[in-house]
Amino acid sequence: ETGVTQSPTHLIKTRGQQVTLRCSSQSGHNTVSWYQQALGQGPQFIFQYYREEENGRGNFPPRFSGLQFPNYSSELNVNALELDDSALYLCASSLWGGSITDTQYFGPGTRLTVL
Amino acid sequence: GESVGLHLPTLSVQEGDNSIINCAYSNSASDYFIWYKQESGKGPQFIIDIRSNMDKRQGQRVTVLLNKTVKHLSLQIAATQPGDSAVYFCAEKWDANRDDKIIFGKGTRLHILP
Repeated sequence: ETGVTQSPTHLIKTRGQQVTLRCSSQSGHNTVSWYQQALGQGPQFIFQYYREEENGRGNFPPRFSGLQFPNYSSELNVNALELDDSALYLCASSLWGGSITDTQYFGPGTRLTVL
Repeated sequence: GESVGLHLPTLSVQEGDNSIINCAYSNSASDYFIWYKQESGKGPQFIIDIRSNMDKRQGQRVTVLLNKTVKHLSLQIAATQPGDSAVYFCAEKWDANRDDKIIFGKGTRLHILP
C-alpha cells in the first residue's frame, strides 16, 4: 500500500449537484495531484497542489477546483455535476524535489457516479 | 499533441512465459517514462521508470526498453505469474512542464492463462 488514502470509496450524485472528494497524502509528502480516470481509459491530469498553491492544471473547466491544507491533505470539488463526470478520481502524493523523477504514489480512488 | 498510445488493448499470456507490452508515444520532447500497473479496484502502482538518456533499465522481473528513434517503449515481464494480471499503463513526463503532471496512455490489459 502507498499510504495515500481517499474518501469516500464510492459516491452517487445527481446531475447539477456538487461533490467534495478527500485525499490524505503519504507521510512526508508535500504535493498532491488529482486525476480523472474514465472507464477503460488512462488517468487524466486535473491539477496539482504544492504547499497549498495550485501548481498546474490540465484541460478541465473551472467547476473543478481544489484545496490543499497545511497538513498537505487535499480536496477536489466539482460543481454543477454532469453525467460525463462519472469516473474514478485518483489522488497521488509526492515529495517535491524539483526532479522530473519525483515519484507519485496513488491512492485507491473514489468512484463517482452521476445520474 | 500530448498523447501516449498503446498498440494492443488486451494481451493474453501463458503463465510462466514472458510478457511484452508495447507503447508508442508522440511527444519527442518527453524526458521521462514510467510504467504503472493497475489492479482492479486499486490506483496505479509504479513499476519501473526510464529517463530519455537511457535505452534499457531492469528491475525485479521487469525490463523497460526505450527506442527514441521510433518513439517506442516496451515493458517486459519475465516468467509471468497470476499476480501480474492487471492493466498496464505507460506514461510520460517532460521537463518543460511547470507542473509535475503525468500523461497516461489508455492501457493494456494483461490476462494470464493457466
